[in-house]
Amino acid sequence: GAGVSQSPSNKVTEKGKDVELRCDPISGHTALYWYRQSLGQGLEFLIYFQGNSAPDKSGLPSDRFSAERTGGSVSTLTIQRTQQEDSAVYLCASSLEVRALGGYTFGSGTRLTVV
Amino acid sequence: AQKITQTQPGMFVQEKEAVTLDCTYDTSDPSYGLFWYKQPSSGEMIFLIYQGSYDQQNATEGRYSLNFQKARKSANLVISASQLGDSAMYFCAMREGARGAQKLVFGQGTRLTINP
Repeated sequence: GAGVSQSPSNKVTEKGKDVELRCDPISGHTALYWYRQSLGQGLEFLIYFQGNSAPDKSGLPSDRFSAERTGGSVSTLTIQRTQQEDSAVYLCASSLEVRALGGYTFGSGTRLTVV
Repeated sequence: AQKITQTQPGMFVQEKEAVTLDCTYDTSDPSYGLFWYKQPSSGEMIFLIYQGSYDQQNATEGRYSLNFQKARKSANLVISASQLGDSAMYFCAMREGARGAQKLVFGQGTRLTINP
């Protein structure tokens, strides 16, 4: 597609439930990144995938968070047993591996609210 | 330690004035890239400008310029002739390493408000 697509755009879930957030990167972009942005805060790195390499999971806040990327394209971020502190906007971005001078393109995000 | 520091939580500027948003960074990697993004109230992240650590000249993109002072580890964004539409959150970010696909580390942001 022309841009990075994220779904759903909004998600309200009950505490303790699992949620899945989806990201469709720009076609041909080999690198994909997940960030979390709490209200009024900066972007917190979660995880990134680069081609066939093992993902960099160093930013995942707990083992309730996991992500996968299938076929080098679509990625799913899963949060198990959601907590209220998980409420945030989850942003996905993609870039070309070789040339990412300005080419980190962000999606519009998924706003997650845990009640 | 914070890798990216933005010391101005908020700034208020009169329309048509120039504004400088501060950003300092911390890295021991000789190869890095510095980015500025704009986030309006709609939430989208809009790329503004990029500066590579080996670039000899300051980057410019239209009304945006980056005042890169390598020895001071400073990468301030300058917006000339501010407009009402410039009101938004502004984030400074850094990518470490020579390879293109590395994660960006963001500062906490500066909320810029342009007054008519």
